[in-house]
Amino acid sequence: DIVMTQSPDSLAVSLGERATINCKSGQSVLYSSNNMNHLAWYQQKPGQPPKLLINWASTRESGVPDRFSGSGSGTDFTLTISSLQAEDVAVYYCQQYYGPPYTFGQGTKLEIK
Amino acid sequence: QVQLQQSGPGLVKPSQTLSLTCAISGDSVSRNNAAWNWIRQSPSRGLEWLARTYYRSKWYSDYAVSVKSRMTINPDTSKNQFSLQLNSVTPEDTAVYYCTRAAPAMDVWGQGTPVTVSS
Repeated sequence: DIVMTQSPDSLAVSLGERATINCKSGQSVLYSSNNMNHLAWYQQKPGQPPKLLINWASTRESGVPDRFSGSGSGTDFTLTISSLQAEDVAVYYCQQYYGPPYTFGQGTKLEIK
Repeated sequence: QVQLQQSGPGLVKPSQTLSLTCAISGDSVSRNNAAWNWIRQSPSRGLEWLARTYYRSKWYSDYAVSVKSRMTINPDTSKNQFSLQLNSVTPEDTAVYYCTRAAPAMDVWGQGTPVTVSS
């Protein structure tokens, strides 16, 4: 199984400041046949299912604010929120869909400082 | 707009079978470029992928090793839904269960079903 490890486990950022969450996979999730990273980021708020924010490591889903961005390739990935808003308080997860079993990171809890 | 509506009991006794159903609206379970998944979430295990089913000229299913001997995922084309059966449940199977569409990231999620395994 591909182990996904996020850092930090929790993060407190001031409103309007940048938040950065890292995700490392135990093996590369760059698929050679399409040269795409099979890596997604999700946001989960209390009492709700996770919501897909970014797929292919850097492609925002429709309707996701452009303050959210994803970067990285191979085994190291980053989710950046450029200017934190109050509604961004949530737990964020990375997930690889390189192949089953699909695996998730342990989550990063983002709070307001 | 694609929606997934989950149904099933929230309380199951140990050693019994957990059965959940996920009804699809706005898409087809037979779509040939998506997969239909069950995922669960618990404080001890986090988000855990359990199984998927998908159609590519014929039906395929994959399972997590941790549940493979106890779980069955079944598509139902007549009702446009898919289901989960988990046999011989224990308290460790207590979790919130979600159905999802993967195309290929998990872009649509059901509302979640909290399941408690307890006598």
